[in-house]
Amino acid sequence: EDQVTQSPEALRLQEGESSSLNCSYTVSGLRGLFWYRQDPGKGPEFLFTLYSAGEEKEKERLKATLTKKESFLHITAPKPEDSATYLCAVQPDYKLSFGAGTTVTVRA
Amino acid sequence: DSGVTQTPKHLITATGQRVTLRCSPRSGDLSVYWYQQSLDQGLQFLIQYYNGEERAKGNILERFSAQQFPDLHSELNLSSLELGDSALYFCASSASRSGTEAFFGQGTRLTVV
Repeated sequence: EDQVTQSPEALRLQEGESSSLNCSYTVSGLRGLFWYRQDPGKGPEFLFTLYSAGEEKEKERLKATLTKKESFLHITAPKPEDSATYLCAVQPDYKLSFGAGTTVTVRA
Repeated sequence: DSGVTQTPKHLITATGQRVTLRCSPRSGDLSVYWYQQSLDQGLQFLIQYYNGEERAKGNILERFSAQQFPDLHSELNLSSLELGDSALYFCASSASRSGTEAFFGQGTRLTVV
């Protein structure tokens, strides 16, 4: 069975304090790994797609990387507006399976 | 704005009732996904349609059904509602069946009283 595990569950950071979020996965075959950001009561907002091990994508203070078994979302010098829940999802076939997310809180 | 439109935004209904949630995908997207998100749970995959055909089914209850119409909009029907069905229901769309990013709507918040 496909599994997506995100850690830590919650992360509290000081503004400017860089950190990384982990997404480990077990799937029969990977057609894509996706990162989303979700604010409370809102729909998930697409951030990145990664397709193969070694691939990296960047957007502002966020950088996503992919290995054969896990993906990392690095947040560099975060700001309070980066506070959100970050979700990882894998797509082995048609179904898009999400992890439980990491809730990031950035204090000014 | 993701380009995915969900209506209504909020819905309050009584137990035992039936409701219909509507989703208009992004222009050109053929694939529609439905998800349920309860207070303490992550995004639970319900069902996926591609160009009018059901492609994948997740943990969707028998009381729930969905369809995708020729104009590609989709509806999720929830019947015999229970208190536990209260949740955020999200629709997402993508260009293809798999391997491409899905864009989410803002959701319908369903409250069953």
